[in-house]
Amino acid sequence: QSVLTQPPSVSGAPGQRVTMSCTGSRSNIGAGYDVNWYQQLPGAVPKLLINANSNRPSGVPDRFSGSKSGASASLAITGLQAEDEAAYYCQSFDRSLSGVVFGGGTKLTVL
Amino acid sequence: QVQLVQSGAEMKKPGASVQVSCKASGYTFTSFGISWVRQAPGQGLEWMGWINAYSGKTNYAQKFQGRASMTTDTSTSTVYMELRSLRSDDTAIYYCARDYSGWGPEDYWGQGSLVTVSS
Repeated sequence: QSVLTQPPSVSGAPGQRVTMSCTGSRSNIGAGYDVNWYQQLPGAVPKLLINANSNRPSGVPDRFSGSKSGASASLAITGLQAEDEAAYYCQSFDRSLSGVVFGGGTKLTVL
Repeated sequence: QVQLVQSGAEMKKPGASVQVSCKASGYTFTSFGISWVRQAPGQGLEWMGWINAYSGKTNYAQKFQGRASMTTDTSTSTVYMELRSLRSDDTAIYYCARDYSGWGPEDYWGQGSLVTVSS
């Protein structure tokens, strides 16, 4: 059971917009700690997709965006493409645990 | 370019220890820390801990305190992670990743090292 809660799966058709949530608590996201998002393509190494809630590292398409409100965060993908099919993980810091925590991951299926 | 190159796959028996190495290049090694993250087959990401590559200061996830050790060798720009008293549920891919502060994000990742624990 992960400290950060993510839906196990989401799906969308090519070209559509999908969002996925990451719900934390007052000891992590709600305490003001940043949320980061990672994309893991099948069989691949995780890749940093969004850092500091909404910042895209160099090379990440602007189809990907992140937001944070209260104790939750969201990742949105617009113009969905087949190559976006992957697992997406949110991450933050938890002050009660004094360590980094990950969500359980959301599997995105492109229909 | 930033690169983290990890040691190869390991097969261990229950109760044994394993050491995984992570050699960094392409940046100032002592200016960043290294996190270790593992992923069991078909499962999600699990943070194990972080080490300051310069000072050797560590922060372990509660689950791994007393069983994991992370060390740094500044002369070779290499970080090591040892996990002791291995169990079958330690079977996983172990990743090292660069993390400036130990709070995330992990911006560059190694290729992963598969550790299999089986009798």
